[in-house]
Amino acid sequence: ETGVTQSPTHLIKTRGQQVTLRCSSQSGHNTVSWYQQALGQGPQFIFQYYREEENGRGNFPPRFSGLQFPNYSSELNVNALELDDSALYLCASRDTSGSSTDTQYFGPGTRLTVL
Amino acid sequence: AQSVTQLGSHVSVSEGALVLLRCNYSSSVPPYLFWYVQYPNQGLQLLLKYTSAATLVKGINGFEAEFKKSETSFHLTKPSAHMSDAAEYFCAVSVNFGNEKLTFGTGTRLTIIP
Repeated sequence: ETGVTQSPTHLIKTRGQQVTLRCSSQSGHNTVSWYQQALGQGPQFIFQYYREEENGRGNFPPRFSGLQFPNYSSELNVNALELDDSALYLCASRDTSGSSTDTQYFGPGTRLTVL
Repeated sequence: AQSVTQLGSHVSVSEGALVLLRCNYSSSVPPYLFWYVQYPNQGLQLLLKYTSAATLVKGINGFEAEFKKSETSFHLTKPSAHMSDAAEYFCAVSVNFGNEKLTFGTGTRLTIIP
C-alpha cells in the first residue's frame, strides 16, 4: 500500500474526446509526476508538478496538461484523444521537503483505451 | 540526455536458481539508478536505488544490484528465485535525485519455473 490512489481504474474513450484522470497523493507530498506506459513498454515521463506549478515536462504535446491542488490531489487532462494515447497512466508522488532518502510512490494506474 | 537498456525482454529461471536481470545506462552526468517491480495490474514498487553512497545496493525481497561505472551497468540479482518473484522489472535512471524525473527501460518479464 503506497498511499497513492488513482481514479478511475479503467476508462474507454473515442478518438477526439477529452479525458481527465485523477490522482490522490499522501498528505505532505508536494511533488507529483505523471507517466504514460504503453503496452509492453516502460513508463515515459509526461510532466511533474511541484507546489501546483509545472516543474519539467517530457516529450509530450501541449494537449497533455495537468493540475495540482493544495489538498495533494492532481489531474492529468488529455485533449483530442488519439489511438496512440491508449496506455496505463501512472502518477507518482513524493515529499521533497523531507529526508533525502525519501522516494516517490506510484499509484496503481488508470488504464485508458481509445477506440 | 540519459537512457537505459535492459537486455532480455523475457527471462526464465528455475525456482531456487540465481536471478540476473541486466541493465546498462547512458548518462552525461553521474546517474542515480533504480530498479522497480511491477506485478500484474499494479503500479510500480521500488526495489532498490543507487545514489552514489555505495556501489553494492541491497533492496527489498532479497534483491541487490551493483553499480559498475566502467561497464555502465547496474544489474539486478537475487541468489535464489521464489515463485513470488514472477513479475515485470524495470531499470530507470535519473540525473536529479531531489527531483526524480525517471527514464525507464523497456522492462524484463521474469518467469519462475517450478
